[in-house]
Formats: sequence, structure tokens, C-alpha cells
Amino acid sequence: DAMVIQNPRYQVTQFGKPVTLSCSQTLNHNVMYWYQQKSSQAPKLLFHYYDKDFNNEADTPDNFQSRRPNTSFCFLDIRSPGLGDAAMYLCATSRDRWSYNEQFFGPGTRLTVL
Amino acid sequence: AQSVSQHNHHVILSEAASLELGCNYSYGGTVNLFWYVQYPGQHLQLLLKYFSGDPLVKGIKGFEAEFIKSKFSFNLRKPSVQWSDTAEYFCAVKSTGANNLFFGTGTRLTVIP
Repeated sequence: DAMVIQNPRYQVTQFGKPVTLSCSQTLNHNVMYWYQQKSSQAPKLLFHYYDKDFNNEADTPDNFQSRRPNTSFCFLDIRSPGLGDAAMYLCATSRDRWSYNEQFFGPGTRLTVL
Repeated sequence: AQSVSQHNHHVILSEAASLELGCNYSYGGTVNLFWYVQYPGQHLQLLLKYFSGDPLVKGIKGFEAEFIKSKFSFNLRKPSVQWSDTAEYFCAVKSTGANNLFFGTGTRLTVIP
């Protein structure tokens, strides 16, 4: 089935040690999103790619970067994870950036920072 | 700035009870509205969405939601819940022309058999 895949599902890293989370999609969608969801909070958009065009949210820390080498893959890089970056990271896709397009979500990667 | 409020954090119902989950948003312009559901251990999936036309929207699994523009609300309803409806429900809002989907904090629904 076409879907959004995130690897790994659980990631443990050490304080300050760079970590990369992976997302891939078989939907051939133009837009890919990364959300951060902390415990008992709403998912919060970090950034998105429309094709190769990167769009950062104004309040996303510089510590978070992203790469999209091709249509199918998108990576979230956390350069120096802090304890406050422990969260669930959700990848999503949509066909286009029009507001009525629904977003399709992956299962998430739960990041633990020790 | 846009915001979405889901006032019920945890709702517990018996099977066959009726469900209504509240969602209010703050944004003065035209919006598109969504309800997503997350079953235990699974990813977020779309239940239903509203972008224009009939304000009463029907979704999957017997769910429906009504957009009341004057009240900035988009409440989710189901006449008779089942144990399999146990999940977390998220309301989300997107303004037309924007990319950001604003989520509420979610409502956890527990249905007791």
C-alpha cells in the first residue's frame, strides 16, 4: 500500500550528539512536512518542502535542519539535541500545498535524549 | 495567530453512547477544517474535512462534524460509539493559502464495552 514510512520508530541519542530521522513516501506527493509533538501537546510544524523549495517556520530553532534529496525521501537533522528536543517527530505529505489537500502522516519517530 | 482549542482532554463513554467532541478555532479568515484520529499504536489518519459547501460533513466510520462559522466551531459527532472508536482525536485548521496545519491538543476517547 502507498504510505508514509518513518525510520526508526524509536531513536535514543545522547545530549549533543547529532541525530538524523528519516521519512520516505510512496505517494509521489509534492509536499513533505516535519512536525514535532511533545507529550500532551499539539503537533507543531517545524518546516516543509514543496518539491525542492524549503520553507522554515519562523520559530523553528536553528538546531533543526532538513534535507530532501529526491521526491521520495526527506530527513530531519538535529545538530545538537537537547533534553527539550525529546518528542515524537511526525512526517507528513500532501499532494500539493493547497489548503484543502489532506495530509498523510507516518507513524512517527519517538526521540529520547539522554 | 491561529489557535485551536479542544476543551475535552479525556472522554470516557460506554458503548452505544452518543459522542460530541468540541473544537473551536481562532482565525478571522477563510479556513479549511479537519478531524484526524490516531488509534493506539497507529499513525494519524483523516476522519473528515470541510473546505466549502454543506457545513455538515460526513466522514468515515459514521462520524460527522458541523462547521458553525458564527461560533468558530467544528464539533465532531457520532450517534453511537463502539469500543473500536477508542483513540485520540485531533481537530486541525488551515487557513486558505497557507501551508501550516494548526492542531488542537487532542481529545482521548475511551469507550468501555
